Amino acid sequence: NAGVTQTPKFRVLKTGQSMTLLCAQDMNHEYMYWYRQDPGMGLRLIHYSVGEGTTAKGEVPDGYNVSRLKKQNFLLGLESAAPSQTSVYFCASSSAGQGYEQYFGPGTRLTVT
Amino acid sequence: RKEVEQDPGPFNVPEGATVAFNCTYSNSASQSFFWYRQDCRKEPKLLMSVYSSGNEDGRFTAQLNRASQYISLLIRDSKLSDSATYLCVVNEGHNFNKFYFGSGTKLNVKP
Repeated sequence: NAGVTQTPKFRVLKTGQSMTLLCAQDMNHEYMYWYRQDPGMGLRLIHYSVGEGTTAKGEVPDGYNVSRLKKQNFLLGLESAAPSQTSVYFCASSSAGQGYEQYFGPGTRLTVT
Repeated sequence: RKEVEQDPGPFNVPEGATVAFNCTYSNSASQSFFWYRQDCRKEPKLLMSVYSSGNEDGRFTAQLNRASQYISLLIRDSKLSDSATYLCVVNEGHNFNKFYFGSGTKLNVKP
């Protein structure tokens, strides 16, 4: 039982390049989330999904796209990377409904130069 | 105004000390509350959920005050291994799939 995994762990991009971050969970969770964490700030929600085939915008969605073609996977895409997207990205999953905790992946450290 | 606010610290305490953190939230309709722990360069992990009646887990006690819209975390007999950042997390009542995170309170426990 791996929980939540993320690939890659580290990445350096040049401005304008694109990439996809992969999140996978083996807990059969309905909900999945992508956050970014910047120094001095709390985790901010980028996009989330309440089930296979559905996605929704979070607090800071601009510059990112997501897809959830399979229940266990949630992909985050950067179409044209910008230095402002340098951050640590965390994926999380949780059961549906009220009061359930989120389980986090180990994070992806992205630097855009 | 931020949804969830915390004192960033750092709180520097000696081993064995008792330390308390508070966190305030802005949405009175919030339903679920959590404390997460985050070690340096690691992912957040659940420390404990916070219930209306308060709850205790070993050296950790969490309290909820709905009237004043704050939650607290008390750590007794601090250990070196308690050094971490503690995140306050609130689950919005109307959209229970949305979680709001405080920016965290850093705790340093010194020998």
